[in-house]
Amino acid sequence: EVQLVESGGGLVQPGGSLRLSCAASGFSFSSYSMNWVRQAPGKGLEWVSYISTRSVNIYYADSLKGRFTISRDDAKNSLYLQMNSLTDEDTALYYCARTGYSSGCFDRWGQGILVTVSS
Amino acid sequence: EIVLTQSPGTLSLSPGERATLSCRASQSVSSLAWYQQKPGQAPRLLIYGASRRATGIPDRFSGSGSGTDFTLTISRLEPEDFAVYYCQQYGSSRFTFGPGTKVDIK
Repeated sequence: EVQLVESGGGLVQPGGSLRLSCAASGFSFSSYSMNWVRQAPGKGLEWVSYISTRSVNIYYADSLKGRFTISRDDAKNSLYLQMNSLTDEDTALYYCARTGYSSGCFDRWGQGILVTVSS
Repeated sequence: EIVLTQSPGTLSLSPGERATLSCRASQSVSSLAWYQQKPGQAPRLLIYGASRRATGIPDRFSGSGSGTDFTLTISRLEPEDFAVYYCQQYGSSRFTFGPGTKVDIK
């Protein structure tokens, strides 16, 4: 069974940093591109970042202004999101999502991890 | 960046009725998907490639459209279909989502 489990969220002060992790199981992680998507409380979905297999291609939402870094460790079946210079606008539930082979879109999602930026 | 607009914002219908949801793009889109999200749950892929149902999705869900105009149709609403629906374009290097349409019980 495909599983994606996010961790590393929590409460952080404005200007602080946080590193999210996503542990993948039940599929060949190294063969799939991966993504981070976030959802502010009561709001819609916002795509954050994409990383291809072997980290060849990496994309970010323009709104992030270079503050976030996506990475992966195929040996550990893990995806990461390093978030710096956090503001209250980064408060959201953060999902990791797999890009499907045949679909090209997000065919499996984790349950999400909450990041709260507040003083 | 491609901007997606969804209409209506909220659709109030009764079980058994037909739901028609619209997604319009600011420029031509090569790949479009639809997701369903229920309260407290992660989104679930319904439709990809504008009209292809994802694995395990009932055939009452169908997608159509091309270019800038797309439609998700639920032929007969079941109680479990009341949720928020998002469209997403994934043909460019910026994978934008629409703002969502909430389908609630009338």
